[in-house]
Amino acid sequence: GQNIDQPTEMTATEGAIVQINCTYQTSGFNGLFWYQQHAGEAPTFLSYNVLDGLEEKGRFSSFLSRSKGYSYLLLKELQMKDSASYLCAVRDQAGTALIFGKGTTLSVSS
Amino acid sequence: DGGITQSPKYLFRKEGQNVTLSCEQNLNHDAMYWYRQDPGQGLRLIYYSQIVNDFQKGDIAEGYSVSREKKESFPLTVTSAQKNPTAFYLCASIGGGANYNEQFFGPGTRLTVL
Repeated sequence: GQNIDQPTEMTATEGAIVQINCTYQTSGFNGLFWYQQHAGEAPTFLSYNVLDGLEEKGRFSSFLSRSKGYSYLLLKELQMKDSASYLCAVRDQAGTALIFGKGTTLSVSS
Repeated sequence: DGGITQSPKYLFRKEGQNVTLSCEQNLNHDAMYWYRQDPGQGLRLIYYSQIVNDFQKGDIAEGYSVSREKKESFPLTVTSAQKNPTAFYLCASIGGGANYNEQFFGPGTRLTVL
């Protein structure tokens, strides 16, 4: 079956670094996505990994290990506005449909 | 400005009524999707369409119907057969070529059954 696991909640303080982990077991793999979603709003795209390694984009980085079925999203220099849900999603073998985890709610405090 | 629009933003329905949620995109994307989001459940796929006049059931299609008569439009009907329709509904699309990797979302419609 298809399964994507993320921690339900995390807390951190402003200026800190936080790592949100995602493990997946899917019938196929054609890329892993991270999205940010603020309460009541649609998800917005953060990053995409299809090859092993680290992708860096400003304060956000995403890592993928296909052999381990593992990814993480690293957020540096945390700001209050980073308080949101972070969704891990995998594109399956069909090439288009994304399978989403339940999301990790991050709370950043001052 | 290119993007995905959904209407209405908030929708209230009485039990037993069918209701149609609109999704329009001007990104020239081939593939379009409908997801449902419940608290603590993440996003679950209802239906998707990869080309005009063709669509496939997702994981939770029961009680829903769709059509894809135009490339730009992918409306979702929530029928009275859907036992628990109160949720946040998100429409999304993916383009081909250089934009193949990113899935864009519309702003969502929050449906409440009274």
